[in-house]
Amino acid sequence: ILNVEQSPQSLHVQEGDSTNFTCSFPSSNFYALHWYRWETAKSPEALFVMTLNGDEKKKGRISATLNTKEGYSYLYIKGSQPEDSATYLCAFIANTGNQFYFGTGTSLTVIP
Amino acid sequence: GAGVSQSPRYKVAKRGQDVALRCDPISGHVSLFWYQQALGQGPEFLTYFQNEAQLDKSGLPSDRFFAERPEGSVSTLKIQRTQQEDSAVYLCASSLAGASRGQYFGPGTRLLVL
Repeated sequence: ILNVEQSPQSLHVQEGDSTNFTCSFPSSNFYALHWYRWETAKSPEALFVMTLNGDEKKKGRISATLNTKEGYSYLYIKGSQPEDSATYLCAFIANTGNQFYFGTGTSLTVIP
Repeated sequence: GAGVSQSPRYKVAKRGQDVALRCDPISGHVSLFWYQQALGQGPEFLTYFQNEAQLDKSGLPSDRFFAERPEGSVSTLKIQRTQQEDSAVYLCASSLAGASRGQYFGPGTRLLVL
């Protein structure tokens, strides 16, 4: 079983604050890293698919970076809004198969 | 809509009861995955289908868990003689081919075993 860790486990920020969280994964056998946003009672929604070391992707106020050599990815949210409140999951895919290995998620609450 | 759907959304079962959870993937998606998410944990892989073939069932926690996809589209996850530790959210995801290019998730079935 591969170990994928996310930190912090939960986070409360004020509206307008910027925030970031971390996903750590094995640095060997890397194929891809996915970020998902999961709001309560809804389906997880894909944010980013990251494959290359040094990748930096952006979608509106949310961006992500990838370091495959040291095994981590950061997700940044600029100017958090209440609608950003959700659990953010990362999933590691090894080059040995089709399984996603999920972290436990970071639960973000943005306080108006 | 054209997304992945799951039913029921919520299921309460008495310990020892059998349950069946259904997943309707996106039309044309070859690959289908089942995950189990226990409270406070991330989703954990259960099993993977490519069309009707179950290529990987290494994540199924016991022989009480059984999944099928007989015609390569709809899939059913069956849990026999449910136990309290089976209480979890069961997520289904589908993709065009494999997992590497991303999966589309259903909303999950929340199972509570009393």
